[in-house]
Amino acid sequence: AQRVTQPEKLLSVFKGAPVELKCNYSYSGSPELFWYVQYSRQRLQLLLRHISRESIKGFTADLNKGETSFHLKKPFAQEEDSAMYYCALSPKYQLIWGAGTKLIIKP
Amino acid sequence: KAGVTQTPRYLIKTRGQQVTLSCSPISGHRSVSWYQQTPGQGLQFLFEYFSETQRNKGNFPGRFSGRQFSNSRSEMNVSTLELGDSALYLCASSLESHGNYEQYFGPGTRLTVT
Repeated sequence: AQRVTQPEKLLSVFKGAPVELKCNYSYSGSPELFWYVQYSRQRLQLLLRHISRESIKGFTADLNKGETSFHLKKPFAQEEDSAMYYCALSPKYQLIWGAGTKLIIKP
Repeated sequence: KAGVTQTPRYLIKTRGQQVTLSCSPISGHRSVSWYQQTPGQGLQFLFEYFSETQRNKGNFPGRFSGRQFSNSRSEMNVSTLELGDSALYLCASSLESHGNYEQYFGPGTRLTVT
């Protein structure tokens, strides 16, 4: 079955601390994986896609096919990173979503 | 470019009624997807259209239907509304034709069924 699991509903860290949002997936083929973010009162928007291997707003995510994971990391959290983060898997013509992790950055 | 727009933004309907929601994608985007978002179930895929053809459909009952017009605008319809249909309905458009998605989301339509 195709599934995305984000084990943490809520993650709270202090400003300046490292952040890691976990994402595990179940998919039989070669996955296309994304991280989307929703800031307060804003639309859902793409943060990262694994094939681009970019660092966006200091965030990176590495696809680990052996562990079927696509964790999102940032070495030093900032208050503006507080948001809802969703991991998504793209089989053909759709996105399968994780339940999301609410990230709170404490000052 | 203007972003994805959805109308109406808020809607209150009674059980048994039907509702039509509209989505206008970003200019040039030919793929439109619909999602239902609820606190309990999160984001769930409804269907995806490309060039007026439904390419994929999620696990929703037949009461949920959609269509896409030649200008890529899309509508979704829910008939015989149930209380459980209360949700935020999100539309997203994508430029890509091959299904690997960078999707651009609209603000959503908040549907309340009473």
